Amino acid sequence: GENVEQHPSTLSVQEGDSAVIKCTYSDSASNYFPWYKQELGKRPQLIIDIRSNVGEKKDQRIAVTLNKTAKHFSLHITETQPEDSAVYFCAASMGGGADGLTFGKGTHLIIQP
Amino acid sequence: NAGVTQTPKFQVLKTGQSMTLQCAQDMNHEYMSWYRQDPGMGLRLIHYSVGAGITDQGEVPNGYNVSRSTTEDFPLRLLSAAPSQTSVYFCASSRTGTGGETQYFGPGTRLLVL
Repeated sequence: GENVEQHPSTLSVQEGDSAVIKCTYSDSASNYFPWYKQELGKRPQLIIDIRSNVGEKKDQRIAVTLNKTAKHFSLHITETQPEDSAVYFCAASMGGGADGLTFGKGTHLIIQP
Repeated sequence: NAGVTQTPKFQVLKTGQSMTLQCAQDMNHEYMSWYRQDPGMGLRLIHYSVGAGITDQGEVPNGYNVSRSTTEDFPLRLLSAAPSQTSVYFCASSRTGTGGETQYFGPGTRLLVL
């Protein structure tokens, strides 16, 4: 089955700086890669996703890049703000939702004032 | 729309007891699934359903049963709870589950098995 590795497990950045979280996946058939943000005690919330026919996608301060050849994808957050502090999860899916999502173990992002 | 709802929010069980975690969605989504979240482990897929009457196993199905008699409901049953099943359980749904559909998560059920 699919295996998703996520790094780093903890990331501390100064407010206003950029943050980058990286994930690799094992199954070349995977075609959908969402990123979720989870605040303490809350449910995961989708923040951005990318499909295998696209190399990059941007939504305001958040961007995701995908390298299919290397089987890795990354989340970029620019101009970080205190409300960006949370745990971020990457995930991969083969056939979209039908096969479910395989999640990375999460990155705890800490924004230092 | 209430979205995806889960009950109860929190439950304490003794080893060997049984219980059902409820999940419902009012978005007419075909696909529903259950995940468990343990510290440092991310979320892991337990069971999923692509429509009423159809269920299948995910990554960690042992100790759990599911059924899907209606489009709206997807209950998760623990027949004989074990301490290893202490976790936070999330239900999720998506429109079709056939091709990169956004999955919407419920608020979660926190389960403690003593």
